[in-house]
Amino acid sequence: GDSVTQMEGPVTLSEEAFLTINCTYTATGYPSLFWYVQYPGEGLQLLLKATKADDKGSNKGFEATYRKETTSFHLEKGSVQVSDSAVYFCALRRNSGGYQKVTFGTGTKLQVIP
Amino acid sequence: EADIYQTPRYLVIGTGKKITLECSQTMGHDKMYWYQQDPGMELHLIHYSYGVNSTEKGDLSSESTVSRIRTEHFPLTLESARPSHTSQYLCASKGTDYGYTFGSGTRLTVV
Repeated sequence: GDSVTQMEGPVTLSEEAFLTINCTYTATGYPSLFWYVQYPGEGLQLLLKATKADDKGSNKGFEATYRKETTSFHLEKGSVQVSDSAVYFCALRRNSGGYQKVTFGTGTKLQVIP
Repeated sequence: EADIYQTPRYLVIGTGKKITLECSQTMGHDKMYWYQQDPGMELHLIHYSYGVNSTEKGDLSSESTVSRIRTEHFPLTLESARPSHTSQYLCASKGTDYGYTFGSGTRLTVV
């Protein structure tokens, strides 16, 4: 079955540090890939997406490139802020039997300290 | 401003009580979902609906039930709450674009 593997957290960084959160996936066919962010006490929000190989999703300074050859979708940001502290979920969506199946990773907690 | 609303945000209830978690969206989305989020933050799909009068069980077995009588409304009911039901419940909907829209969640504690 489909699976999404994220690096375990928590990840603790100082403000303005470079962020990478690794995400790899297993799926048949050609899934779409997503990053969601969950701020404390809130629901998930879509952060960025990529729908085909070599696409780069970007939003709020975050980027991720769909790498089919390595089945990866790593999230990066050049300079994190305290306000980026949240849990980040990698997800894939694939058409399966006439409906769309979404699989989430287990989430990676990011803590940014001043 | 949120287009998908969950109430209540927090609920503490005694064992054996019947509860309904409300979820409403104003976007006209056909597809709606309920996820249970465990303390380790992992998300588990417990119910989904692809339209009015359509409901299906998700990947995680759940003692809850759902109904979809109106497009905008997708309530989740627990007939008899137990401490094992203590969790965060997230409702989501999806239109014709790619991503989900999530509500802010209901944090349920059963004592």
